[in-house]
Amino acid sequence: KQEVTQIPAALSVPEGENLVLNCSFTDSAIYNLQWFRQDPGKGLTSLLLIQSSQREQTSGRLNASLDKSSGRSTLYIAASQPGDSATYLCAVNNFNKFYFGSGTKLNVKP
Amino acid sequence: EAGVTQFPSHSVIEKGQTVTLRCDPISGHDNLYWYRRVMGKEIKFLLHFVKESKQDESGMPNNRFLAERTGGTYSTLKVQPAELEDSGVYFCASSGRQGFNEQYFGPGTRLTVT
Repeated sequence: KQEVTQIPAALSVPEGENLVLNCSFTDSAIYNLQWFRQDPGKGLTSLLLIQSSQREQTSGRLNASLDKSSGRSTLYIAASQPGDSATYLCAVNNFNKFYFGSGTKLNVKP
Repeated sequence: EAGVTQFPSHSVIEKGQTVTLRCDPISGHDNLYWYRRVMGKEIKFLLHFVKESKQDESGMPNNRFLAERTGGTYSTLKVQPAELEDSGVYFCASSGRQGFNEQYFGPGTRLTVT
């Protein structure tokens, strides 16, 4: 059974800092991996989708990498801003269903 | 293009009552998924529809939960009778193609059973 772990559980950084969020998974037979953002009381906003054949995806200040063989993904956020404060979720797609990690709660201080 | 919508946004019911949650996927998306997050836990898969057929319902917790997708458009998730442990946030997602496409999530329905 797929298990997804996200480290750290919480992170507080000053504005402007570059940061890395980590996601690991136990079963490498995945279709894709998706990073989401969730604001308090809101739904999930898709940030990046990486197919199993890809190594990384970029969108603006975000860069996600995937190392399927080692069961790891990272989300890199450049020049963090207070508006980036949210919970970031990693989800791994095995056979049409996502397995989620517990998330990393990010606080970017002005 | 409208995103995935869910109704209601919040429901408070008493133990033993029935509640029906609704999800409208993105127009044209054949794949519809239900997930839920109970207190303090990660989001977990409940089931997957392809059009009106249940493709995978391995995550449904018990027979008090019934999901339908008549006509392959919107879906409902009924909980009958509701128990305290059913409290949580129920998310719906849709995708245009199985497996490789990203899933688009709705805002969720927060269910509180008292």
